[in-house]
Amino acid sequence: DTGVSQDPRHKITKRGQNVTFRCDPISEHNRLYWYRQTLGQGPEFLTYFQNEAQLEKSRLLSDRFSAERPKGSFSTLEIQRTEQGDSAMYLCASTTGTDAEKLFFGSGTQLSVL
Amino acid sequence: AQTVTQSQPEMSVQEAETVTLSCTYDTSESDYYLFWYKQPPSRQMILVIRQEAYKQQNATENRFSVNFQKAAKSFSLKISDSQLGDAAMYFCAYRSQPMEYGNKLVFGAGTILRVKS
Repeated sequence: DTGVSQDPRHKITKRGQNVTFRCDPISEHNRLYWYRQTLGQGPEFLTYFQNEAQLEKSRLLSDRFSAERPKGSFSTLEIQRTEQGDSAMYLCASTTGTDAEKLFFGSGTQLSVL
Repeated sequence: AQTVTQSQPEMSVQEAETVTLSCTYDTSESDYYLFWYKQPPSRQMILVIRQEAYKQQNATENRFSVNFQKAAKSFSLKISDSQLGDAAMYFCAYRSQPMEYGNKLVFGAGTILRVKS
């Protein structure tokens, strides 16, 4: 059990470019979550998966955002045509769904859009 | 929709002393979970303590304890014998009980805790 892993740790991009982040949850965890955290604020829920099914998406997740979890293992979060307002830390978390209230978080991907 | 409010942007405590972080929340639900998470400079959110709303007894984890006042919708965190390693951002979070809501957390804005040696 190596914990929740996120890659990359930092990403700098120019406005208008596409970016993709990856999250590898703890292996036996069937639920996976994405949160966004802006400076000085708490994380905000974006979306979650149970296995490969995306069961809920926040209104924060505009059409430029897409998330996938093929085969119920790792997940990717893609942002198309990035905007400066997308600059934030993107956190991934996972849980088993049994001890369901305990979420395990990764260290996040810090996105800076110039 | 549920909201979580942390009214203290920043707190300081002397090493070995006790500090209390405040949190209030708003909900119409009767059953839910409340949490305190710690986020050190490494950025990884770490669960400090959790409380089930149906339990009257306040949760305790070693030096960390909560004061859960359900009627007042208040959930404060007390850190006793503060250590340098306690310095971090602390977030209060709420989660609805029913699993069909997906287990998502609603976070407050956080309180920065500084520990002085």
